[in-house]
Amino acid sequence: SAVISQKPSRDICQRGTSLTIQCQVDSQVTMMFWYRQQPGQSLTLIATANQGSEATYESGFVIDKFPISRPNLTFSTLTVSNMSPEDSSIYLCSTRLANNEQFFGPGTRLTVL
Amino acid sequence: GENVEQHPSTLSVQEGDSAVIKCTYSDSASNYFPWYKQELGKGPQLIIDIRSNVGEKKDQRIAVTLNKTAKHFSLHITETQPEDSAVYFCAASPGGELTFGTGTRLTIIP
Repeated sequence: SAVISQKPSRDICQRGTSLTIQCQVDSQVTMMFWYRQQPGQSLTLIATANQGSEATYESGFVIDKFPISRPNLTFSTLTVSNMSPEDSSIYLCSTRLANNEQFFGPGTRLTVL
Repeated sequence: GENVEQHPSTLSVQEGDSAVIKCTYSDSASNYFPWYKQELGKGPQLIIDIRSNVGEKKDQRIAVTLNKTAKHFSLHITETQPEDSAVYFCAASPGGELTFGTGTRLTIIP
């Protein structure tokens, strides 16, 4: 399995500001992902964080709004830029192992005022 | 792409009774079907999974069944306990990205 930690666990931010969320995995992994979970909803994939190259974004998500870094095989960051109240969500870091098992971090609960 | 439907959206059962959550998928190439439990304020936790080469898998009080012909799979929880109260998500994958169901909020009534 993989143990994932995220920082911060929650934050309250003002509109127009940016927040960077950190994700740390307890072992080197190839695949790291960022998801968004809006209140009471399922999980939506934002992007795949690629080590050494630009992230791959899903439809509806753009790099300018959600820049991602992946400096090594255990760490990634997601920035939520120029925030609006619609960005209030839980942001989840995830990794998938070679046997397809996928694990999630505890999430970052973001509230934008 | 894959589409996963999950039912019911909410489920209340008496403590000690069984709970069943059902999912259907659309892509016949899907071969991996995990189930996640998400407690309030926490991230999704992988609780059991099944691959397309088996029809049933059991882990203590939790079991999952898969019917590839009908493209549906189910989560069975027996002898439910208060700590089973959570939101449960099914998912399907053809070997890469997971497609999630919409979730089932399970409440165990003491």
